[in-house]
Amino acid sequence: AQSVTQLGSHVSVSEGALVLLRCNYSSSVPPYLFWYVQYPNQGLQLLLKYTTGATLVKGINGFEAEFKKSETSFHLTKPSAHMSDAAEYFCAVSRSGGSNYKLTFGKGTLLTVNP
Amino acid sequence: EAGVTQFPSHSVIEKGQTVTLRCDPISGHDNLYWYRRVMGKEIKFLLHFVKESKQDESGMPNNRFLAERTGGTYSTLKVQPAELEDSGVYFCASSQDRGVGLAVQETQYFGPGTRLLVL
Repeated sequence: AQSVTQLGSHVSVSEGALVLLRCNYSSSVPPYLFWYVQYPNQGLQLLLKYTTGATLVKGINGFEAEFKKSETSFHLTKPSAHMSDAAEYFCAVSRSGGSNYKLTFGKGTLLTVNP
Repeated sequence: EAGVTQFPSHSVIEKGQTVTLRCDPISGHDNLYWYRRVMGKEIKFLLHFVKESKQDESGMPNNRFLAERTGGTYSTLKVQPAELEDSGVYFCASSQDRGVGLAVQETQYFGPGTRLLVL
């Protein structure tokens, strides 16, 4: 079975500060990893994903994440937070191979950006 | 290109009543997924359609939940009778299918969700 742990249900940063949202996963097979963002009253939007290849993945809005197999981590970072980054962020894993790519999500991290 | 749409956006019903949620996937997407987020918990997978067939319904909580996908287009999720613990946000997602043998994770595009409150 796969699982995802997001450390910190709520992270608060100042505008312009580094954003670091932590995600650790558990998977018995090579995983596919995702970060989604949900802005208020909207659906989930894909920020970035890792399937194969380069372990440093760049996404939209200046976010990036690095797949570290030895640490079973896929932390999300952004060098400088903007007020518009305030949202809830979800890390997810799916199983590589097969034909069913259901996502297993973490509990989410609510990011607050202070002026 | 229109995104995934869900109807209604909100629903408030009493325990024991029936509610039907609808999802319209992105045109041409064969894969359709239902997920649910109960308050304070993670988003959980309910089931997966490929066209009109149920590929995986391992996440369905019990037989009070019935999902259909008529003609492989839109999908409905019916809860009958609704219980208090069914309250939450129900998300629908869709993705393309690159075909048999191409084990590639296609991006799942999510709808805005239906917020269900059972009183």
